[in-house]
Amino acid sequence: TQLLEQSPQFLSIQEGENLTVYCNSSSVFSSLQWYRQEPGEGPVLLVTVVTGGEVKKLKRLTFQFGDARKDSSLHITAAQPGDTGLYLCAGFTSGTYKYIFGTGTRLKVLA
Amino acid sequence: NAGVTQTPKFQVLKTGQSMTLQCAQDMNHEYMSWYRQDPGMGLRLIHYSVGAGITDQGEVPNGYNVSRSTTEDFPLRLLSAAPSQTSVYFCASSPGFTAGGKQFFGPGTRLTVL
Repeated sequence: TQLLEQSPQFLSIQEGENLTVYCNSSSVFSSLQWYRQEPGEGPVLLVTVVTGGEVKKLKRLTFQFGDARKDSSLHITAAQPGDTGLYLCAGFTSGTYKYIFGTGTRLKVLA
Repeated sequence: NAGVTQTPKFQVLKTGQSMTLQCAQDMNHEYMSWYRQDPGMGLRLIHYSVGAGITDQGEVPNGYNVSRSTTEDFPLRLLSAAPSQTSVYFCASSPGFTAGGKQFFGPGTRLTVL
């Protein structure tokens, strides 16, 4: 069974601080996606990383895929209250066509 | 485009009742899937489909059936509801099933089984 573990589970920080969320697995994925979910809504895709070692930036968010394609990280610089939400990573395996979601990181940014 | 639509938004069932959660997409996407999300947790894959007439099981398929007779629709059937099936159910679609395919999610159905 493929598992994706995220850490930390909860994070409460002050506006302007930096943070990193980790997504780890013992399995290799064809690609890895990061989503953000607001209360009462479905997840919305932030980014997809496909190549081992790949780094993508989305404004203040930096996403990295591990060299072995087993792990990923999300770094937020100068967090803002609008970054508050549930962050989910999801690994995709081409052979099985399945997306496996991580356990989630609930972020709260205080003004 | 309406994107991915789900009905109903809320549902309360008694143990043993059956029902169908509806999911439709108007983007001509090949890949569709159903997830459940329990409080404070990520999403777990129930069933998925890579095209009309093709379905397969995900991580937690027991107690659920699906069919895919058209590209647009992917209903999820609860055969005999149990309190353990109380959850929020999300349907998603993707234009393909290769690495990097973007999933579009519906707004969810909140189901309570008494």
